[in-house]
Amino acid sequence: GAVVSQHPSRVICKSGTSVKIECRSLDFQATTMFWYRQFPKQSLMLMATSNEGSKATYEQGVEKDKFLINHASLTLSTLTVTSAHPEDSSFYICSASLGFGKLFFGSGTQLSVL
Amino acid sequence: QQQVKQSPQSLIVQKGGISIINCAYENTAFDYFPWYQQFPGKGPALLIAIRPDVSEKKEGRFTISFNKSAKQFSLHIMDSQPGDSATYFCAARTDTGTASKLTFGTGTRLQVTL
Repeated sequence: GAVVSQHPSRVICKSGTSVKIECRSLDFQATTMFWYRQFPKQSLMLMATSNEGSKATYEQGVEKDKFLINHASLTLSTLTVTSAHPEDSSFYICSASLGFGKLFFGSGTQLSVL
Repeated sequence: QQQVKQSPQSLIVQKGGISIINCAYENTAFDYFPWYQQFPGKGPALLIAIRPDVSEKKEGRFTISFNKSAKQFSLHIMDSQPGDSATYFCAARTDTGTASKLTFGTGTRLQVTL
């Protein structure tokens, strides 16, 4: 199957700092990537849809200025959590689309903000 | 309209038994129904998927049954093994015009005991 690489897998940062998470499709080109947030024992919550070369589309309630998404190439999308606070602590997962709903997920990033 | 309802929330099955997870939806615009398997601390992995013009799809020990008129679909895991212990998410796809969007169920935590 298609491989999506996400890193870092775990990051601990101080409150007020910014954290960048990278998502790469290793063996295919992904015009669309998605960013999800997952709280413990809960489902995946779509944060934004990232299209290569254009602005990301954010879901209702997601602050675009706090969660900056860049999709500069067909194989790389980044999520930057700006001025992170403890309430931003969560498991963040990216996915890349291989067409018609076939999503392949990264391994996730556990963000802990102290 | 966009919800996908999943049950049960948790499930304990003995080794060799059949695990059954059910999902129901309302939105008739959904046109693709994948199932994902997620282990703790990892991203979800695509397990098996079905389109609504098919009533059943089988891949190894995993079978999806789809009832279009009832707007329900289910995952059956035959000969369940301890290695199948994970959280399972059903999902449903819609086309936003610019990208496929998946709506996830709430997840089922499966535990297969010896």
